[in-house]
Amino acid sequence: NAGVMQNPRHLVRRRGQEARLRCSPMKGHSHVYWYRQLPEEGLKFMVYLQKENIIDESGMPKERFSAEFPKEGPSILRIQQVVRGDSAAYFCASSPGTSSYEQYFGPGTRLTVT
Amino acid sequence: GENVEQHPSTLSVQEGDSAVIKCTYSDSASNYFPWYKQELGKRPQLIIDIRSNVGEKKDQRIAVTLNKTAKHFSLHITETQPEDSAVYFCAASIWNRDDKIIFGKGTRLHILP
Repeated sequence: NAGVMQNPRHLVRRRGQEARLRCSPMKGHSHVYWYRQLPEEGLKFMVYLQKENIIDESGMPKERFSAEFPKEGPSILRIQQVVRGDSAAYFCASSPGTSSYEQYFGPGTRLTVT
Repeated sequence: GENVEQHPSTLSVQEGDSAVIKCTYSDSASNYFPWYKQELGKRPQLIIDIRSNVGEKKDQRIAVTLNKTAKHFSLHITETQPEDSAVYFCAASIWNRDDKIIFGKGTRLHILP
């Protein structure tokens, strides 16, 4: 059973470009969460999605950031017009939902904005 | 919203000694408290968790305690080994309401030879 997959693992973007981060949850998991980790800091919740629905986006910046989890395919976190402050590690986690409390994390995407 | 405070931020213990990390939370509705271990450049890994209907849980050298009244919970690692060196995060969640996990800022644990 493959774990949570994220790609790319490393992404370099120039200021003003778009960053697109992908997350495939564990098999059988229907809930996806995105977290951001700045260097030497903890993880900050961004958004919680179920298939085709955003459940909680209270941690998402109001502008430039969006997320989706379509019926088919991975969850996507999209950052438009990236700025240096967006440089961070972005982790997604998945859980089965109602049957289990645990969230399992992917390996993360390290975004560097130059 | 929920706020999780964690201390100490850095902890050094001699190999073989015990390590204790303490956290507090603010939202009395929180009912699920996971602990994650993160090695440098790696993903956070769930090492133990506790639900609010339980006061203590143990798994080999790791134990977690929860005091709901005081809104405190702690991680105890006994007989520490070099591979225990990592950053440890406590967290709190309201299961079946938000489900999002609110993390503490982390404790960097160094095991000294």
